[in-house]
Amino acid sequence: GNSVTQMEGPVTLSEEAFLTINCTYTATGYPSLFWYVQYPGEGLQLLLKATKADDKGSNKGFEATYRKETTSFHLEKGSVQVSDSAVYFCALSRGGGAQKLVFGQGTRLTINP
Amino acid sequence: DVKVTQSSRYLVKRTGEKVFLECVQDMDHENMFWYRQDPGLGLRLIYFSYDVKMKEKGDIPEGYSVSREKKERFSLILESASTNQTSMYLCASTRQAPYEQYFGPGTRLTVT
Repeated sequence: GNSVTQMEGPVTLSEEAFLTINCTYTATGYPSLFWYVQYPGEGLQLLLKATKADDKGSNKGFEATYRKETTSFHLEKGSVQVSDSAVYFCALSRGGGAQKLVFGQGTRLTINP
Repeated sequence: DVKVTQSSRYLVKRTGEKVFLECVQDMDHENMFWYRQDPGLGLRLIYFSYDVKMKEKGDIPEGYSVSREKKERFSLILESASTNQTSMYLCASTRQAPYEQYFGPGTRLTVT
């Protein structure tokens, strides 16, 4: 079946550090891949996405590349800010018109000034 | 901007009560979803609806039902609330693929 595995959290970094949050997936076919972010007290919002192999999604300084050969979609940012503190979810689409998603367990990120 | 609203941010109910969680979206989206979010488990799909009066079970439908009488509104019903249904409930909506899901702010439900 379809599944998503994220690195265990919580992750704590200092401001301006380099960030990587690992995400690997198992899926049949060719899913689209997503990163969602949840800021404290809010719902999830889409951070970036990639719809086919070798696509790179990017937004707000974050990037992730769809790697079919390693079934991975790792999230990276070169220099994090305190405002990036949030929970990050990797997800894949199960296909079909309704776009059902399978989510990883989430990674809580805290950035210290 | 797409807006998805949920009727309550926080809710406290007693075991055995019937609980209604309401979700409304304002962008004429065909698809709507209910998830529950628990620490270490991510989001799990309870039910989704792809049209008015149409619904399908997700991964964890037991103990829940849903209603979609109008396109913009999707209700989650706990017929007889139990303590293991204490959780954060998130509603989302989307047009047909490949568009992103838009989420509401969530309802934190506590069943005592």
